[in-house]
Amino acid sequence: GQQLNQSPQSMFIQEGEDVSMNCTSSSIFNTWLWYKQDPGEGPVLLIALYKAGELTSNGRLTAQFGITRKDSFLNISASIPSDVGIYFCAVPKDKFYFGSGTKLNVKP
Amino acid sequence: SAVISQKPSRDICQRGTSLTIQCQVDSQVTMMFWYRQQPGQSLTLIATANQGSEATYESGFVIDKFPISRPNLTFSTLTVSNMSPEDSSIYLCSVGGAPGLAGGHEQYFGPGTRLTVT
Repeated sequence: GQQLNQSPQSMFIQEGEDVSMNCTSSSIFNTWLWYKQDPGEGPVLLIALYKAGELTSNGRLTAQFGITRKDSFLNISASIPSDVGIYFCAVPKDKFYFGSGTKLNVKP
Repeated sequence: SAVISQKPSRDICQRGTSLTIQCQVDSQVTMMFWYRQQPGQSLTLIATANQGSEATYESGFVIDKFPISRPNLTFSTLTVSNMSPEDSSIYLCSVGGAPGLAGGHEQYFGPGTRLTVT
């Protein structure tokens, strides 16, 4: 199966700081997706990327589809306490593959 | 995006018993999936629920342990049979890849069922 390497595994930041996380793979993909999972909830789709080099924003979130099609980055600017959760990258191939997740903790 | 509900939201069950989880979608969808998420872990696909035919199971998951029904295009059930503490997980249904859902390459998830087996 496909393996997505997501980093960092966890982050502890102060409110107001910017956050960056990424996913890499040895395989090429045509779509990269970023999800957020709040405690006790299912993952919610944040951003979908369909084109190499594409940069897409959703409020304070910005994601990029790497030019090699083997990686993607998610940035969160000016973090707030409600950004707390686990962020997953995902790619569709024969099925959906998910990264291991980045657990974000924001201190007020 | 589709609105997906799951029942129950959580349950505590005794080992050896079975639990059936329901997933309801507010629109007709072609593809429905069941995932397991063990504590602190990522999502693992259990099976694809096919309407009108048997589910397609991923390696490591078998029909006897996780029977799935998909009677129509808006509903599916997953049963966790003969449970053991190792089955304690969050079980999530999702829909995706259907025309009309944005992009056709995305998946949308239900809120999950948190199962604890004692």
